[in-house]
Amino acid sequence: DAGVIQSPRHEVTEMGQEVTLRCKPISGHDYLFWYRQTMMRGLELLIYFNNNVPIDDSGMPEDRFSAKMPNASFSTLKIQPSEPRDSAVYFCASSSRHGLRETQYFGPGTRLLVL
Amino acid sequence: GDSVTQMEGPVTLSEEAFLTINCTYTATGYPSLFWYVQYPGEGLQLLLKATKADDKGSNKGFEATYRKETTSFHLEKGSVQVSDSAVYFCALSLTSGTYKYIFGTGTRLKVLA
Repeated sequence: DAGVIQSPRHEVTEMGQEVTLRCKPISGHDYLFWYRQTMMRGLELLIYFNNNVPIDDSGMPEDRFSAKMPNASFSTLKIQPSEPRDSAVYFCASSSRHGLRETQYFGPGTRLLVL
Repeated sequence: GDSVTQMEGPVTLSEEAFLTINCTYTATGYPSLFWYVQYPGEGLQLLLKATKADDKGSNKGFEATYRKETTSFHLEKGSVQVSDSAVYFCALSLTSGTYKYIFGTGTRLKVLA
C-alpha cells in the first residue's frame, strides 16, 4: 500500500492567496484527519471525517479554513485568504472503521510558508 | 478536561544509554494509549500502543506499560541508538461521549555517538 499521500509536499505563497492542500487516504480507511503542526502550538487536530462526512471541525482556526471530502479517496484543506501565521506543516492521517481507538496513519505532510 | 502531558525536551543521551520519556494522562473513561515517533521531515508513525490497563506495548526495543493507578504510559528503551533520534509523541483515544484523539506536545530525543 502506498500509504497516505499528500500534495504538494512544499508550498510557498504570498499573503492573501488561496492555498489548497490535498490528501489521499489509505484505501479502505473510513476516518480522515487533518492536523497542523507548529513549534509554538505543537500538533493540533483541525477537523476529522467519517465516511466522507465532517464530524468535528471545532479545531478549524477560523472561517478562512475549509475542508471537504467529496469521496472516500480524496480530501482537500483550503485556506482563503492565507496569512503568514498559517505557516506550518499540515498533516493528513487516516484510520480504519474501528479507527476511534486504532492507529492513525500519517502522510508525509505539506510544509506551507506564507510570505 | 482530557489531556496528555509529556516531559519537556530535548533529551540528549549517549548511545547505549537507558531512555525514559514520561507521559501521564487525564481522561474521563478508559482510553487507549499510544506512542508515535516522528523522524525529521516525516509524518508521525505508530511506535507502540496499549488498549487496556496493565497492557504492555513493545516495538523495536521500546516498551510502555499502561498504568491505570498512576495514569501513566512511560516510554522506555534499554539501550538507545543514534538512529532513535526523533520526536516522540504520547497520545490517547477516547470513545466514551465525544470522540477524542489527543496528542502530547512531543519530546525531542537526540542520541550522540
